[in-house]
Parts: sequence; C-alpha cells; structure tokens
Amino acid sequence: GNSVTQMEGPVTLSEEAFLTINCTYTATGYPSLFWYVQYPGEGLQLLLKATKADDKGSNKGFEATYRKETTSFHLEKGSVQVSDSAVYFCALSEFEGGGADGLTFGKGTHLIIQP
Amino acid sequence: AAGVIQSPRHLIKEKRETATLKCYPIPRHDTVYWYQQGPGQDPQFLISFYEKMQSDKGSIPDRFSAQQFSDYHSELNMSSLELGDSALYFCASSPSRGSEPYNEQFFGPGTRLTVL
Repeated sequence: GNSVTQMEGPVTLSEEAFLTINCTYTATGYPSLFWYVQYPGEGLQLLLKATKADDKGSNKGFEATYRKETTSFHLEKGSVQVSDSAVYFCALSEFEGGGADGLTFGKGTHLIIQP
Repeated sequence: AAGVIQSPRHLIKEKRETATLKCYPIPRHDTVYWYQQGPGQDPQFLISFYEKMQSDKGSIPDRFSAQQFSDYHSELNMSSLELGDSALYFCASSPSRGSEPYNEQFFGPGTRLTVL
C-alpha cells in the first residue's frame, strides 16, 4: 500500500532560519504529492503540490520538488517567520480510476519558529 | 470565497450513543471526502463520494456509514460510539477531476467529537 514518511518534530528554529522538512513516500504507481499546513484549531490548507517528476511546487516562499528517483518531496523555505509556526503534513494521492481517491498523510511535523 | 461547512463544530456523546456529522461542500463541488484525525495523529481517510455514489473506501469502521445527498451534502453516521472515536473529523470537497491527475481537496474546519 501507499505510505508517507516525514521527519519527526517538533522542529524549532529561529526567525529567518532556513527550513527543510524531509518527506519520502512509497506508492505502487505514480502519485501526486502535496504539502498541507494546519494552524492551531483549524482545518488543513493546501500549501503546494506537484503531479509529475521534477515538478516544483511553490507557494508563500515554500518550495518542494517531486524527486521520483529518491521518492522524495522535501519542503524548504529560505527564511522562516513566526507566522509559519504550524503542523505540516506531506501527503500523496494516487489515481486508481475511482476519481475520488483519499489522501495518504504522513504523521505531521510540528514547526515552531521563535522570534 | 465559500468554503466547506461542517456541523456541528463540537459534539459530546456518551459511549454507545450515535452521532451524525454533516458536511456541505463548496458550491459546484461534486466530490466529498471524510477523514478522522486522532489527537496528535495524521488524518486517516475514511470514505469518499462522487456524484452521490461511494467512490473510495479507507479505514472506516463497520459502525460508521455515510452517504451523499442530491444537493451534494454528506452525512457521516456513527453508531455504538467508543472512547476511541474521540477525534477531529474533517470533510473535504473537490470539483470534478477534469484533465488533472488528482482532485484538489478543500478541507472544512472539522467537527470535534468527544466520547465520554
């Protein structure tokens, strides 16, 4: 079956530091990959996505590149802000013809940015 | 912009009781998904519906059932509640896939269910 593994948290950084959250996946086919962010007490928001190898998703200064050879989709940001503090989930979706495929999530990484 | 609406936002039930959670998708979205997120856990996919038919099934217990109605809203029915059912239940909706290889899912704020 499909699975997503991401680095354990919490990850604590100072403001303006460089961020990397590692994510690797296992899938039987050719999945689409996502990063979702969850702020305290809120639902999940799509941060960025990539649907094929070497695609780079980007949004709000965050980037992630779909690496098929290493089955990875690491999240990066050059300079984090206190407002980036949240839980980040890596996820995949594999089209199996059903049209409404559930997402498989990683365990989530709690990011804490200190001023 | 309109978002996914879930009701109620909070629900407290006793063991062995039943609960019904409701989800109203974004207008013109025809697909609905349900997820369960335990405390400190990742969301687990339960079930999805496309055009009122069940589309994909995940780790939904037999005590739970769901359906999508003609106006595309969906209800998750949970019976014989157990303490372990205490969780945040998310609904997500998406438009028809079109030419994309995936359905972008838009999540609601969730319903927090507490079973005592």
